[in-house]
Amino acid sequence: GAVVSQHPSRVICKSGTSVKIECRSLDFQATTMFWYRQFPKQSLMLMATSNEGSKATYEQGVEKDKFLINHASLTLSTLTVTSAHPEDSSFYICSARGSGSEKLFFGSGTQLSVL
Amino acid sequence: KQEVTQIPAALSVPEGENLVLNCSFTDSAIYNLQWFRQDPGKGLTSLLLIQSSQREQTSGRLNASLDKSSGRSTLYIAASQPGDSATYLCAAHNNNDMRFGAGTRLTVKP
Repeated sequence: GAVVSQHPSRVICKSGTSVKIECRSLDFQATTMFWYRQFPKQSLMLMATSNEGSKATYEQGVEKDKFLINHASLTLSTLTVTSAHPEDSSFYICSARGSGSEKLFFGSGTQLSVL
Repeated sequence: KQEVTQIPAALSVPEGENLVLNCSFTDSAIYNLQWFRQDPGKGLTSLLLIQSSQREQTSGRLNASLDKSSGRSTLYIAASQPGDSATYLCAAHNNNDMRFGAGTRLTVKP
């Protein structure tokens, strides 16, 4: 089956630094990718939707200048957390969907800890 | 490595029926288990979150149970409606890792 690879699985960084998370579709072209985050003891929440070659659509309350999403190719989307702060510490996960398909494939997630 | 299985893959019921969706997982050392629905063209919508210390959660017509020892969770939908038609996914969250089932495609016929 289709595979989505997400890296890194875990990252610890200092406050003020930027962190990039990659999401790759390994055997299909991902025309749409979704980015989610989950704070401890809370539900997974959609952050943004990105279509290849277009600007991402952000959910209400998600700062687009802080969470930069790039989906420049059909196999790669990146989420960059700029000037990370401890409150950005969360579990981030991506999912991808191919053209004409409703089925979602998920990365395994990235645990971000900002000190 | 956690493996999550959902049965059935597809389900079609007449409006008004109560139904149960099943989710099983192989590694019981989970932080939580979540149920989502996915509508065509959309991302996931979170339905219910069950922490590892809990046995069930309820929201409206939805009730989700968790039995860690047997590696099972169920999502019960009461009095189904055509608007419930969607794909339902469960996800098990372990240490730094979240695994999703393949989903159950539910169709509720008027």
